[in-house]
This record gives sequence, structure tokens and C-alpha cells, in this order.
Amino acid sequence: QVQLQESGPGLVKPSQTLSLTCTVSGGSISSGSYYWSWIRQPAGKGLEWIGRIYTSGSTNYNPSLKSRVTISVDTSKNQFSLKLSSVTAADTAVYYCARDPTPFGRGGFDPWGQGTLVTVSS
Amino acid sequence: DIQMTQSPSSLSASVGDRVTITCQASQDISNYLNWYQQKPGKAPKLLIYDASNLETGVPSRFSGSGSGTDFTFTISSLQPEDIATYYCQQYDNLPRFTFGPGTKVDIK
Repeated sequence: QVQLQESGPGLVKPSQTLSLTCTVSGGSISSGSYYWSWIRQPAGKGLEWIGRIYTSGSTNYNPSLKSRVTISVDTSKNQFSLKLSSVTAADTAVYYCARDPTPFGRGGFDPWGQGTLVTVSS
Repeated sequence: DIQMTQSPSSLSASVGDRVTITCQASQDISNYLNWYQQKPGKAPKLLIYDASNLETGVPSRFSGSGSGTDFTFTISSLQPEDIATYYCQQYDNLPRFTFGPGTKVDIK
């Protein structure tokens, strides 16, 4: 079955750019009708959808983060990536990647990666 | 944007109890509503999609209902392994996804 795994630096300095990659295994990122999303969760808080990408390169972003977010895909590596610029302490969170069946189908985010903690601190 | 609220924010119940969580949307979302379970230190897990459809492999003690703005998630007989935080999530307003604030479930 499809599995997702996040990777990237666990510590980012304020004002710098956070960069994470999600590697998809057990299936091709290009097969099937799915978007691929990033979601984050500050410690002890709820879930915030960041944005998503289709393998064509089509993207959607959360309006609250849109000015700072870029999501890209590398189908040859079966990966998609997140860049969040000008980070502050408020961006400290566990970042998850997940598969999204909409709008082609119905349902929820499934599966999810295990998550990776990114701390913004000097 | 569609806002999601959940109640209660936390609850304690005994093993075997029936547990009910409610989720309310700020506007009609039909049945575009999913429920997730998140155990400490783990990623969320999809339990129910489209308000009432049980994801494959999820125990039948979990169920969901509702449409429009009001939704209910039920555990018919609480088990120790059900200790987790439960989130609702709407996807009526694509591509804007929003989650509820979560309900933490503990054993009394």
C-alpha cells in the first residue's frame, strides 16, 4: 500500500525558508487521481491545511499562507516538496504530508506520513 | 471560510460507555465531512468519510451521522485503545479544507 515519509531539517532560523520533502512509496505519485497535500500541527494544537499539488503541477494554497508557500512535485523521484519562506516561531509545528482524493473522488486525507517536527529558532 | 466547531473539547468516559462528539459547520456542507483519530505522537488516521462511511478496517463501534451543518461521531462502546483526539474536517469548499479544533477522549 502507499506510504508517505517526510524529510528535511528539524531546525530552521527565523526569516529563513523551511524546506521539506515527502517521498511516496508503494505506488506511483502519478498514478490515480489524487492531489498531494501538506498539513501542519503546532504542539498541542489543531490541524492546519497548508496546500496541495497535482502531478500536473497544479497547486492550491491556504490563503492565510499563500504568500509564503510553494509546493512542487518531482515525479521522477516520486516526491513532492514544501517551501515556506520568512518563517517565525509561529511556524514551529509537526508537518505532515498526505494523499487527497478530491476533487476527483470523495473522502479524506489518507494515508498520512508519520510527520516531522520543524522548530524555528535562532 | 467555513468554520468548524466541536463539542465537547474533552471528555472522560468509562470503558464500555457510549461516547458522542458533535461537529458543527458555519454553513451547509452537505455531507462533505470526515472524522479522524489521532493518538499521541502519531499522525491522524481517517476513520469516517462523507459523514457516515466507515473507512475499511475501522471497527464497527465507530459511526458517524449528519448532514448540512450538524454532525455526530459516536463510539458505541469505548475501548482503552480509543484514547485519542478526534477531529472533524470539511471539504465542501474546495480547495479550502478546514478541521475542527478536536475532542480529546480519556478513560475515566
